Amino acid sequence: QVQLVQSGAEVKKPGASVRVSCKVSGYSLTKLSLHWVRQAPGKGLEWMGGFDVEDGETLYAQKFQGRVSMTNDTSSDTAYMELSSLRFEDTAVYYCAALPRVWGKGTTVTVSS
Amino acid sequence: SYELTQPPSVSVSPGQTARITCSGEYLPKKFAYWYQQKSGQAPVLVIYEDIKRPSEIPERFSGSSSGTMATLTIGGAQVEDEAHYYCYSTDSSGDQWVFGGGTKLTVL
Repeated sequence: QVQLVQSGAEVKKPGASVRVSCKVSGYSLTKLSLHWVRQAPGKGLEWMGGFDVEDGETLYAQKFQGRVSMTNDTSSDTAYMELSSLRFEDTAVYYCAALPRVWGKGTTVTVSS
Repeated sequence: SYELTQPPSVSVSPGQTARITCSGEYLPKKFAYWYQQKSGQAPVLVIYEDIKRPSEIPERFSGSSSGTMATLTIGGAQVEDEAHYYCYSTDSSGDQWVFGGGTKLTVL
């Protein structure tokens, strides 16, 4: 059974960067399509990007290209999402998900001055 | 950029059938996925590849797709089915995935 355990909540200032981790257990990260989805307070789900295991490519939503980086550490089965140049509107819960079925519990990122 | 369109809200009485639609240009050729999200919780997959239901999801949940519209049907909706529902699919290239805006289902 695949499980995803995410890192803890973060508070960052505008302009800073944040890195969220997602530890995979029960399966190999190299065989998963691991994606990142965020949800701002009171808003819907927003796909940010992810690794396409079939093509071996990392896909990024056009909205975040140039500002987000998603990497995998296969030695520890841990995925990372780094978002830079943070803005107040980046305040959200960030989920990693082995789509379509398995989701982490989410990491709250708050951008505040 | 690609968009999936859902109604903001649907309301039914307990035991009635609830239908939530999702409209998108590429749905005739791309699968739709449906997620249920209750307040404060991570989303849960209820339908995948248009019509398939995970074994742990109640049989009253079903999916269909015709043309540019996918539909999630909850036959005999229960109070515990109150939640936000999101459709999810990709554009023609398969490189850009998107969620619909979400539909709040009220059962009362």
